Amino acid sequence: SAVISQKPSRDICQRGTSLTIQCQVDSQVTMMFWYRQQPGQSLTLIATANQGSEATYESGFVIDKFPISRPNLTFSTLTVSNMSPEDSSIYLCSVENSGGRTDTQYFGPGTRLTVL
Amino acid sequence: GDSVTQMEGPVTLSEEAFLTINCTYTATGYPSLFWYVQYPGEGLQLLLKATKADDKGSNKGFEATYRKETTSFHLEKGSVQVSDSAVYFCALITGNQFYFGTGTSLTVIP
Repeated sequence: SAVISQKPSRDICQRGTSLTIQCQVDSQVTMMFWYRQQPGQSLTLIATANQGSEATYESGFVIDKFPISRPNLTFSTLTVSNMSPEDSSIYLCSVENSGGRTDTQYFGPGTRLTVL
Repeated sequence: GDSVTQMEGPVTLSEEAFLTINCTYTATGYPSLFWYVQYPGEGLQLLLKATKADDKGSNKGFEATYRKETTSFHLEKGSVQVSDSAVYFCALITGNQFYFGTGTSLTVIP
């Protein structure tokens, strides 16, 4: 398994500002994933981040709104840009099973974002 | 497309009651199936998984059996505790894509 930490754990932000969320893993992993969990809903995959290449975004998510960095095999950031109240969610970082097979994902504790 | 449908909540049980949370799936191919748990204020944790038909995943007294004939992966526990209060997510992976259910909130009262 992997131990994943996220910063900040929560934040309250003003409309129009941006927030960068950090995700740190205690081991090297190839693929990192960013999810959004809106209030009362399930998880929605935002993008997959591989080290050394651009992130792959899911339908409905774009790089200008959610730029992602992946500078090395243990770290990634997700920025929520030009925020609106609709961006209020929990944002979760996850990594695949360190054995290389994508059959299990481990999740960070999440970042609870409130946009006023 | 692939998807997961799970029982809507919230579910409220008394301590030591029997728990079932239903989960059915739609998938092409042969997915692996998972239950994740999210305790209050925490991130998701893997509870159990099954990778092929008739496999039974188990952990912390929870069990789920991969039923290909009914495309189901129902979560069960014989005697719940207050500490089991959480949101439970059924999920599947096919290819490299995870699909999550909407979550079922469980509250266990003493």
